[in-house]
Amino acid sequence: DAGITQSPRHKVTETGTPVTLRCHQTENHRYMYWYRQDPGHGLRLIHYSYGVKDTDKGEVSDGYSVSRSKTEDFLLTLESATSSQTSVYFCAISDRINQPQHFGDGTRLSIL
Amino acid sequence: KQEVTQIPAALSVPEGENLVLNCSFTDSAIYNLQWFRQDPGKGLTSLLLIQSSQREQTSGRLNASLDKSSGRSTLYIAASQPGDSATYLCAVKNNAGNMLTFGGGTRLMVKP
Repeated sequence: DAGITQSPRHKVTETGTPVTLRCHQTENHRYMYWYRQDPGHGLRLIHYSYGVKDTDKGEVSDGYSVSRSKTEDFLLTLESATSSQTSVYFCAISDRINQPQHFGDGTRLSIL
Repeated sequence: KQEVTQIPAALSVPEGENLVLNCSFTDSAIYNLQWFRQDPGKGLTSLLLIQSSQREQTSGRLNASLDKSSGRSTLYIAASQPGDSATYLCAVKNNAGNMLTFGGGTRLMVKP
């Protein structure tokens, strides 16, 4: 596996609380991505980063923010979690835009 | 908006069979197409990436083809094994933007 670590792997929290998911890579890849995977919707891009402090929105960015202060870390924050954000969240990395994306093992997030 | 479809949604075959998984996309202005496998509870493993200028890619028993003009890709698995049982996903990257659009996947079961 590519050197991608997502933390936590599982989290249960309550509606309205803030949540931060972390993606850490050891590959020194430029691009990092956050996806969510839901039954019936497949995988959808939330946000991505093309360098330190450089981020852009994906298809389903509402309710999420991201930060990338170091090459190796990409944080996804739910400022005030809602039940509709219950999902499995995947981080992915790629070296160049035309290279494969490699995925972490995911974080299963449940918001009650 | 790009849409990616994978048919069938599920497939069960006896061990040893050669099989083909299908992926179709609506917008032919793609940058590349990537095939993944996903095991239950796990992240995605990249199998093959085909650039828009390529017609096929091979890795071991896997062969992926791309016909951009007709909006189709196929993943051919030779001599299937029980260890090939997983969900197979295709994803396309359009020329515009940096987003992968995923199909819904084909869940493959190879019976001993």
